[in-house]
Amino acid sequence: GENVEQHPSTLSVQEGDSAVIKCTYSDSASNYFPWYKQELGKRPQLIIDIRSNVGEKKDQRIAVTLNKTAKHFSLHITETQPEDSAVYFCAAILSGGYNKLIFGAGTRLAVHP
Amino acid sequence: DTGVSQDPRHKITKRGQNVTFRCDPISEHNRLYWYRQTLGQGPEFLTYFQNEAQLEKSRLLSDRFSAERPKGSFSTLEIQRTEQGDSAMYLCASSSVQGDQPQHFGDGTRLSIL
Repeated sequence: GENVEQHPSTLSVQEGDSAVIKCTYSDSASNYFPWYKQELGKRPQLIIDIRSNVGEKKDQRIAVTLNKTAKHFSLHITETQPEDSAVYFCAAILSGGYNKLIFGAGTRLAVHP
Repeated sequence: DTGVSQDPRHKITKRGQNVTFRCDPISEHNRLYWYRQTLGQGPEFLTYFQNEAQLEKSRLLSDRFSAERPKGSFSTLEIQRTEQGDSAMYLCASSSVQGDQPQHFGDGTRLSIL
């Protein structure tokens, strides 16, 4: 079936460093790719999204890139801060699937002061 | 806009009991989704409503699960004869029907089966 693979599963960085999380998707017709941040015991919170007609999108310290040919998309966080520590999920819309999201397994990011 | 709200936040019950969860979406959103999240995993799609119509159900949704959205506003998810494997976080999300609008999640209902 359709799936989204996410790497790495855990990521540990020093405060101020950059963090990169990568995802691949299998449905070539997918056209919408959101990223969610989930802190312990809290709801998944949308932090950035990208549509297939755009190659890159940036919002302050967060950026997402999309390579449709390779079916890859990545989240980039610059100048990481301890409050960035959380689990990050990538997702893709399954084409023809009423916009249901297929999620990756998540990346646990730890930013150390 | 108070966001998506879910009730209860936590539910502990014995195996074999029935449970019902409620989701109130963002008021102008006519799309409503239920997902299930187990520890260390991403949310998995369960079912989708557009207004009051249930348009898609996952194979994960066995015949013990039923969801409704009778007036196109709030939704309920019922699990009958609960099993140990039903223990999970049940998340609700809503979005606008206009194009690929972002889905906004509630805080979820954490179900624990004793």
